[in-house]
Amino acid sequence: EAQVTQNPRYLITVTGKKLTVTCSQNMNHEYMSWYRQDPGLGLRQIYYSMNVEVTDKGDVPEGYKVSRKEKRNFPLILESPSPNQTSLYFCASSLNRANEKLFFGSGTQLSVL
Amino acid sequence: KQEVTQIPAALSVPEGENLVLNCSFTDSAIYNLQWFRQDPGKGLTSLLLIQSSQREQTSGRLNASLDKSSGRSTLYIAASQPGDSATYLCAVKTQENNNDMRFGAGTRLTVKP
Repeated sequence: EAQVTQNPRYLITVTGKKLTVTCSQNMNHEYMSWYRQDPGLGLRQIYYSMNVEVTDKGDVPEGYKVSRKEKRNFPLILESPSPNQTSLYFCASSLNRANEKLFFGSGTQLSVL
Repeated sequence: KQEVTQIPAALSVPEGENLVLNCSFTDSAIYNLQWFRQDPGKGLTSLLLIQSSQREQTSGRLNASLDKSSGRSTLYIAASQPGDSATYLCAVKTQENNNDMRFGAGTRLTVKP
């Protein structure tokens, strides 16, 4: 089944404790992206990647890191999480720049205490 | 900077009614517009993608229209069903930065049996 898989679904952590949210797609998509969703604000892009070893900042990249060493994986790293990073996070992918239909993962609800 | 607005934030209708969801955007120079459905606790599912050169797209009971000059898109749902209850989001990809997709905050639709 074609899908975007995120883990974990729920995560509670404390300020300053490094964490990684994994994202994997099995559709051989070139483009991958991370979003956060906050009430009343819609989805905002954190980082995106056009292909392996190619990443760039989105709207709200501060406090986040990403890497794209393999085509299928695009982990989101919070080196020192803070309470304002409490949010619902989504990973998404699309075939390439020309094919814009986005496929989303099921989301990761992160709480930073 | 592109801003996307969806009004109303919530809508409740009886089963069988035809309905229209609205999406407006401030910059008419868009690359494409996409409508998504989001169910509670789940990721987003792409419903319809309209390229900037198109006026509308149809899928089953759904029809999305695009009027770039007025900065508006509508999602028409015919013969609504309780299973249509979800949050509907529109997203606009701007021409200035083809990697930047701007999301509205969504309209939460409830279809009552």
